[in-house]
Amino acid sequence: GQNIDQPTEMTATEGAIVQINCTYQTSGFNGLFWYQQHAGEAPTFLSYNVLDGLEEKGRFSSFLSRSKGYSYLLLKELQMKDSASYLCAVAQAGTALIFGKGTTLSVSS
Amino acid sequence: SQTIHQWPATLVQPVGSPLSLECTVEGTSNPNLYWYRQAAGRGLQLLFYSVGIGQISSEVPQNLSASRPQDRQFILSSKKLLLSDSGFYLCAWSIDGEHGYTFGSGTRLTVV
Repeated sequence: GQNIDQPTEMTATEGAIVQINCTYQTSGFNGLFWYQQHAGEAPTFLSYNVLDGLEEKGRFSSFLSRSKGYSYLLLKELQMKDSASYLCAVAQAGTALIFGKGTTLSVSS
Repeated sequence: SQTIHQWPATLVQPVGSPLSLECTVEGTSNPNLYWYRQAAGRGLQLLFYSVGIGQISSEVPQNLSASRPQDRQFILSSKKLLLSDSGFYLCAWSIDGEHGYTFGSGTRLTVV
């Protein structure tokens, strides 16, 4: 079967660093995506990993280990506007992205 | 540049009524198109995807259907809505399915 797991909720304070983990078990793998979704809005693209290692993009970084079926999204210097849901999604050849249920991050001052 | 349009933004429909949600993409040709649903507190559930005109793949058996009458138009329909059809419906497109999706702004459907 297909399974993508991530924590349901996380909390952090402004200026801190938070790591959101994602583990996956899928029948195929063509890459892993992270999306950000603010309440009531559509998801927006954050990052894409297809090879093992760390991809850095400003305050956000994403890591992938294909052998372990594991990824994380690292958010640095947290800001209040980072309060949102973060969705992990796996791409498979010939079909659509499969999404996890998302992690709701609350950033407090 | 490519844009995706989805309407309406919100919809309140009675149980048993029909549904038609439309999604159009501009600025690209032969996109892959997708319909997802997000129920309250749940993740994105893939409903349908299409790789070309008239080609529809269904992921979840239910009382919804999809059609792609034109290259850049994707329609989600139902003949009779159920309460369980309430949710946030998102249309998305990608050029090859492996380089990320761009989502429309979504339709919040409430079935009463």
